[in-house]
Amino acid sequence: NAGVTQTPKFQVLKTGQSMTLQCAQDMNHNSMYWYRQDPGMGLRLIYYSASEGTTDKGEVPNGYNVSRLNKREFSLRLESAAPSQTSVYFCASSLMETQYFGPGTRLLVL
Amino acid sequence: KNEVEQSPQNLTAQEGEFITINCSYSVGISALHWLQQHPGGGIVSLFMLSSGKKKHGRLIATINIQEKHSSLHITASHPRDSAVYICAVRSGSGGSNYKLTFGKGTLLTVNP
Repeated sequence: NAGVTQTPKFQVLKTGQSMTLQCAQDMNHNSMYWYRQDPGMGLRLIYYSASEGTTDKGEVPNGYNVSRLNKREFSLRLESAAPSQTSVYFCASSLMETQYFGPGTRLLVL
Repeated sequence: KNEVEQSPQNLTAQEGEFITINCSYSVGISALHWLQQHPGGGIVSLFMLSSGKKKHGRLIATINIQEKHSSLHITASHPRDSAVYICAVRSGSGGSNYKLTFGKGTLLTVNP
């Protein structure tokens, strides 16, 4: 089992460019999450999906959109990247309480 | 919104020392988690607690629901324990919402 995978590992964007961060899990988990991690701050929830076909906003959703494509995949899209979106992005999944994290994507917006 | 505070922010210890990291939260919870983030960035779940105490190897986690406080202890610390330790809480009475609120983390460095 690969667990939770994320692509890409690292990305540099110019302000205004768009991109999609991909996340997939092979553990048959219902819930999936997107977080961002910034220096000096805890992980903050961007969006989550409690089950296939549902998505809800988290703490910091502005500037992002998500798609729960199927039970395995949950993508995060930045339509027009801004320097404030420079961060490390983590995807996670859970069946119940315990969340399993992907390796993260480092995003730099210039 | 639940506020999660961890202390200390940074901790340096010598190999073999007993380590304690503290976590307090402001609102009633249904579960508290301790996670470890390795220097390379990967995040793994260590414990999930709703009451009492759990032990796994040299790691011990306790929670006091009345005082809204949890501690993570590491006995006989080792340089490989060097990592960021993160406390996270699931607020409310449970149900199917597993959203967590995270503390800022405690950076532990264990020197040989």
